[in-house]
Amino acid sequence: AQKVTQTQTSISVVEKTTVTMDCVYETRDSSYFLFWYKQTASGEIVFLIRQDSYKKENATVGHYSLNFQKPKSSIGLIITATQIEDSAVYFCAMREVGAGNTGKLIFGLGTTLQVQP
Amino acid sequence: AQTIHQWPVAEIKAVGSPLSLGCTIKGKSSPNLYWYWQATGGTLQQLFYSITVGQVESVVQLNLSASRPKDDQFILSTEKLLLSHSGFYLCAWSHREISNERLFFGHGTKLSVL
Repeated sequence: AQKVTQTQTSISVVEKTTVTMDCVYETRDSSYFLFWYKQTASGEIVFLIRQDSYKKENATVGHYSLNFQKPKSSIGLIITATQIEDSAVYFCAMREVGAGNTGKLIFGLGTTLQVQP
Repeated sequence: AQTIHQWPVAEIKAVGSPLSLGCTIKGKSSPNLYWYWQATGGTLQQLFYSITVGQVESVVQLNLSASRPKDDQFILSTEKLLLSHSGFYLCAWSHREISNERLFFGHGTKLSVL
């Protein structure tokens, strides 16, 4: 069965530090895509970064990077030089290639990040 | 540039009353469209998807229905609301036939059923 697990309910960090958020997933598909989205206080959901399962290199976009450990079915999100504006709920999500046009994303429960001055 | 507009922004409705939520996508022809639901403080769950006009597939049964009357419009509705329908409803779109493509979400509709 498909499942995405985020065990950290909330994290609090000081501004300008680095934070890592954990995510593990379960899938029977050999090909899948992993995403991180963030939900701001207004409810808006913003795409951050994606990792394709067949790629060995960790994806990096701006101050977001991923720690993809395929044997452990793990896809951690790393935010460097955190800013107050990074405070949000972060969702890990997975889509199997077999999902086809359903576009179905399986989301984790989310991790609330609070960045303190 | 593509834009996605959801309406209304928020609704307060009585149990048993009807509901209609909508979204419109501009600047993108033949998108895949989706409805997601989020319980307060919870995760996101896909409700429906549509790959073309007039064709909608249900993913979970929540006594809701969806329709796609136009290429750029997606409607979520029910004739009788339940308390359990409360939550945050998000419309989203993606490029067709690109399985690793991200979803683009609307700003959502907050629904309170009393």
